[in-house]
Order: sequence, then C-alpha cells, then structure tokens
Amino acid sequence: AQSVSQHNHHVILSEAASLELGCNYSYGGTVNLFWYVQYPGQHLQLLLKYFSGDPLVKGIKGFEAEFIKSKFSFNLRKPSVQWSDTAEYFCAVNAALDTDKLIFGTGTRLQVFP
Amino acid sequence: DGGITQSPKYLFRKEGQNVTLSCEQNLNHDAMYWYRQDPGQGLRLIYYSQIVNDFQKGDIAEGYSVSREKKESFPLTVTSAQKNPTAFYLCASRTWDRDPYEQYFGPGTRLTVT
Repeated sequence: AQSVSQHNHHVILSEAASLELGCNYSYGGTVNLFWYVQYPGQHLQLLLKYFSGDPLVKGIKGFEAEFIKSKFSFNLRKPSVQWSDTAEYFCAVNAALDTDKLIFGTGTRLQVFP
Repeated sequence: DGGITQSPKYLFRKEGQNVTLSCEQNLNHDAMYWYRQDPGQGLRLIYYSQIVNDFQKGDIAEGYSVSREKKESFPLTVTSAQKNPTAFYLCASRTWDRDPYEQYFGPGTRLTVT
C-alpha cells in the first residue's frame, strides 16, 4: 500500500529563514506528487504538483519542490519565509494508474515569527 | 464565483444519532470526494464518486454512507455505527477536462459528537 511520510511535524522559523520540509513516499510505480497548504481558517489549496518532466517544480508564493525518484522524495523548499507562510503543509501522492486515491502525509505545521 | 460549499461549518450531535454533511459544487466537476482530517493523521479518504449514481469506498468507509443523485451534490451521512465520528470533514472535487489531477477542496465541516 502507498504511504507518505512527513518527518517534520512542527517547524518554527523566523522571517527570512530558509525552509525545507521533507516528504517521502512508498510506492514502486509511477506517481503524481502534490503539496497542499492550509492557511488558518482557509480552504486546503494546491501549492504545487509534479506529474512528469523537470523534477524541479515551482509553485505559488515562491515555493518549489524537487522530485528525487531514487530517494522517493518530494521535499518542499522556500529560500526566505514570511510571516504569512504560517500554515499547515501536506504532501500527497497518487498512483498514475489510480488517481482517485490521493494519499496524504500527516502534515507539517509551520509557524513563522516576525 | 465557482467553488465548493460545505454546510454547516460546525455541527454538534449526540451519540447514537445519524448526521448528514452537505457538499455542493458549482464547478461542473465530475468526481467528488470525502475526506476525514484528524490531528496528526492528515487526510484519509472516506468515499468518492466519479459519476452520478456511482460511488466507491475509500480507506475508511465503515460507519459512513453517501449518495450521488446529482452531479453537483455529494452528501455524507455519518451513522451511529461510526465509532469515532468527531473530526473535521473535507469535501473535494475534480474534473477530467482541464487539469485531471488536481482536487479542489471545500472549507470543511467540524463535527463534534458527545
């Protein structure tokens, strides 16, 4: 069965610090990869996604993620965080042949202090 | 504006009562999904429906039921058989046309059963 691991449960940073959130998945076949973000009081929304092609994908608000197939990883990065990035971040995966089953990680709560 | 509506935002019920959560979308999306979010556990798929009058069990369907009589509506009933119903419930939808992989989420309903 597929699974997604997010090892950082709670991250606290000061503004302008760099961010990297880890995401590892277990599945032997072709996958699609996603990062979703849930700002306080708002809908869960898509930050970025990877289906194929360039393994470095750029999303909204300056976020990017790199797919490293050999490591089964899809880490999220941002060079300089802002207070407004405070949110919960979820990594998600689905198999290319079963795209209805979106498997989520447990989430990482990011707090950014001014 | 197109989007997904979930009502109510907060719902309180006594143990032993069935309760139905509403999910409506005006995005003309084909597929709809129900997830449950618990602290520290991410989102887990309850049920999904690819077309009207058809639906499939997700990973944690026990104690839940759904219907899909109209394309825009996908209500979820939490029955008294669900052992631990208190949670945050999220509805999502997607289309096969423009971006077949992205799921769009509603604002959620927080159900508390005492």
